[in-house]
Amino acid sequence: AQSVAQPEDQVNVAEGNPLTVKCTYSVSGNPYLFWYVQYPNRGLQFLLKYITGDNLVKGSYGFEAEFNKSQTSFHLKKPSALVSDSALYFCAVRPPASGTYKYIFGTGTRLKVLA
Amino acid sequence: KAGVTQTPRYLIKTRGQQVTLSCSPISGHRSVSWYQQTPGQGLQFLFEYFSETQRNKGNFPGRFSGRQFSNSRSEMNVSTLELGDSALYLCASSPRGGLYEQYFGPGTRLTVT
Repeated sequence: AQSVAQPEDQVNVAEGNPLTVKCTYSVSGNPYLFWYVQYPNRGLQFLLKYITGDNLVKGSYGFEAEFNKSQTSFHLKKPSALVSDSALYFCAVRPPASGTYKYIFGTGTRLKVLA
Repeated sequence: KAGVTQTPRYLIKTRGQQVTLSCSPISGHRSVSWYQQTPGQGLQFLFEYFSETQRNKGNFPGRFSGRQFSNSRSEMNVSTLELGDSALYLCASSPRGGLYEQYFGPGTRLTVT
């Protein structure tokens, strides 16, 4: 079965330190990969995506993600965390074109940046 | 461009009732997807519409249904509400789906008592 895993329910990091939010997937073929962020009482906001090409993808608010095909991972990173980065982060996978347009979301990782 | 709008934002219903939620996508977007978000289950895909056709459906009972109109606006309906249907229902639009990212509305918070 196709799936997305975010192994950490919560990640705590001090302001100014680098942060990593992990995501691994189990999908055959070459999927499209996405990261979204959700602030309290808001819908999800798109951060970045990997479709093809360079394994390091840069996105909004200084975030980047590294695609690793051999490890089937797409970890979200930021060199220096801000308190305002505290939110719920979702990894999503869209399986390769096969007639299905279903996105599969991870269960989310709550990021807490401590001042 | 105006973002995705969802109405109503909050709703309280009683078990056994039915409810209709509305979503207006970003202008020009033809794909609309619906998700159910709960603390324990994360985001669960309900269905996706493109040009008034349902292209995909998640693993939800037939009580959950939807439709899309010619102007791309979409509605979802839940009949015979159960307590477990209490959730945040999110609508997302994209130009065509696929490799395009989705733009989410603020959601409708449904509480079933």
